[in-house]
Amino acid sequence: AQSVTQLDSQVPVFEEAPVELRCNYSSSVSVYLFWYVQYPNQGLQLLLKYLSGSTLVKGINGFEAEFNKSQTSFHLRKPSVHISDTAEYFCAARKTGANNLFFGTGTRLTVIP
Amino acid sequence: DVKVTQSSRYLVKRTGEKVFLECVQDMDHENMFWYRQDPGLGLRLIYFSYDVKMKEKGDIPEGYSVSREKKERFSLILESASTNQTSMYLCASSSPGGNITYKYGYTFGSGTRLTVV
Repeated sequence: AQSVTQLDSQVPVFEEAPVELRCNYSSSVSVYLFWYVQYPNQGLQLLLKYLSGSTLVKGINGFEAEFNKSQTSFHLRKPSVHISDTAEYFCAARKTGANNLFFGTGTRLTVIP
Repeated sequence: DVKVTQSSRYLVKRTGEKVFLECVQDMDHENMFWYRQDPGLGLRLIYFSYDVKMKEKGDIPEGYSVSREKKERFSLILESASTNQTSMYLCASSSPGGNITYKYGYTFGSGTRLTVV
């Protein structure tokens, strides 16, 4: 079973509209959760992370994510997107008992002018 | 600014060749990782290393080996390249060592796009 599931492979959205990128995790991962962003022709960059504490996590570039234990979700949101947010976004989690991260399959966000 | 540098952005190799992908980090990180990235499959871990001369298999180690002779350098080796190894390869590093390294996230290189013909 997939440890981290990103439900949407592509999300088109108009500029200045809100966006939500969905991520669900399974019981095979611990609740240490991350979102990374990959701009074209670049490596991945950490957007935000949830380790413990407040379930609402704020990251860079106006993004935030909410950890929901009952729904095993860690969805990424932004209230108003810009053209520069066009990128691929990866949800990741620590594998239980392991010392490395497991990545989802990615969601390509395209912001339309 | 901290950096993970992958020596080549693009590589084209022939089937059966031995291929070396090099990764260097300047942050004195203990941990280094090699992932491959394929459309629809996301990132999959090939190998990782927690210290010099130490290595551990990831989820898809078949057809690959690694070398870490110095702390700052982690090499991925394709012993005999095949067309199904055509992919984007990403190197990452993290610190500190031990079982809490994941808390601090990874620093990624820009990737090497390898094409095997």
